[in-house]
Formats: sequence, C-alpha cells, structure tokens
Amino acid sequence: AQSVAQPEDQVNVAEGNPLTVKCTYSVSGNPYLFWYVQYPNRGLQFLLKYITGDNLVKGSYGFEAEFNKSQTSFHLKKPSALVSDSALYFCAVRDSHGNNRLAFGKGNQVVVIP
Amino acid sequence: GAVVSQHPSWVICKSGTSVKIECRSLDFQATTMFWYRQFPKQSLMLMATSNEGSKATYEQGVEKDKFLINHASLTLSTLTVTSAHPEDSSFYICSAGFAGEGSYEQYFGPGTRLTVT
Repeated sequence: AQSVAQPEDQVNVAEGNPLTVKCTYSVSGNPYLFWYVQYPNRGLQFLLKYITGDNLVKGSYGFEAEFNKSQTSFHLKKPSALVSDSALYFCAVRDSHGNNRLAFGKGNQVVVIP
Repeated sequence: GAVVSQHPSWVICKSGTSVKIECRSLDFQATTMFWYRQFPKQSLMLMATSNEGSKATYEQGVEKDKFLINHASLTLSTLTVTSAHPEDSSFYICSAGFAGEGSYEQYFGPGTRLTVT
C-alpha cells in the first residue's frame, strides 16, 4: 500500500528566507505525487504534481518540488517565503496502476515569521 | 476550472438526527468522488470512494450504514450521516476526479464542519 511520511510537524521560517517542506513516499511501481495546501477551515488547494518527465516541477504561488527517485522524496520548496504562505501543507501519493486513491502525509504546519 | 463545491459549509444538529452533505463538481464531470474526514490538526482520513452509478467502496472501519453515500450523477455525490452522535463531529471534505487526458489530481471541496450537540 502507498504511504507518505512528512517527518516534521511544524516548519518555522523567516519571511524572505527559503522554505522547504519534506516528503518521502512509498508506493509500488511509478508514483504520482502531489502537494496540497490547506488554510484554516478550508478544503485543500492543489499546488503541483509530478507524473512523469522533468524531476523539477513548478506549481502555483512560486512553489516547486523536486522528485528524487533514489531517495523516494518529493520535497516542496519556495525560494522566498511570504507571511501568507503560513498554512498546512500535505504531500500525497498514488500509484500508476489505476488505483486513484490518494495516501496523504500527516501534514506540516508552516509558520512564516514576519 | 475544476471547481468543487460543498453544501452546507457548516451545520449544527442534535444527537440522533441525520445530516446530508452535498458535493458538486461545478464545471466538470466527476467519474469518481471521495469523502474524507479530518480531525483538528490531523491529516485527511479517506472514508469512501464513490463512482457514479455504483455502490460506494468504504474504507476499513467506516460504517457504511452510518455514512450513506450516493453518487447519482456525474456532478453530485451526497454523504448522509445517520443518527449522528457527538463523536461524529468533524470536518468532512469531498474531492472529485475525472478520467480525462492528463488529469490525475483530485479537486477538493471547501469542506463541511459538522457539530453534533
């Protein structure tokens, strides 16, 4: 079964500094990987995905993520964090065999300090 | 594009009553819809997967007679919490996916906050 690990509960970063949110995954076969962001009392907003192709994926709001097959990782990054980036971030994975169920990580609370 | 709505956004009900939550895909046809439950500061727990015109597939530990799911059309799925109890209070989120070329992600609704008193 597929699974995702987000090792940190909370990530604190100063505004303007680079932001990294870590994610590792486990799946049989080729992974489909996703990052979502959730603001308080809201649903999840899609940020970016990796399906195939270039390992560096660019998404919404200046976020990007790098797929690393050997390390089974898909870390989310942003070069310069904004206070408005403070939110809950979820990494998710599904397999490529037609099973479209997503497995989510526990989520990372990102706090950007002004 | 790919907007999913939920109604109501919040609901308060008395213990023992039933509550229906609607999930609609507004600008696309959703072949599959998913229902999740989320506790405060926790991840999403998949409750069930529903495909249009067929019975929902429930995850282990989810009572199908308590959480009734209907996916009657390609744009509407409903979750009915029957005989609700305070422990059913939670944030319920639906998502939708479609079997289109290049589409793999799920699109999420804004969620419904259920409080059972």
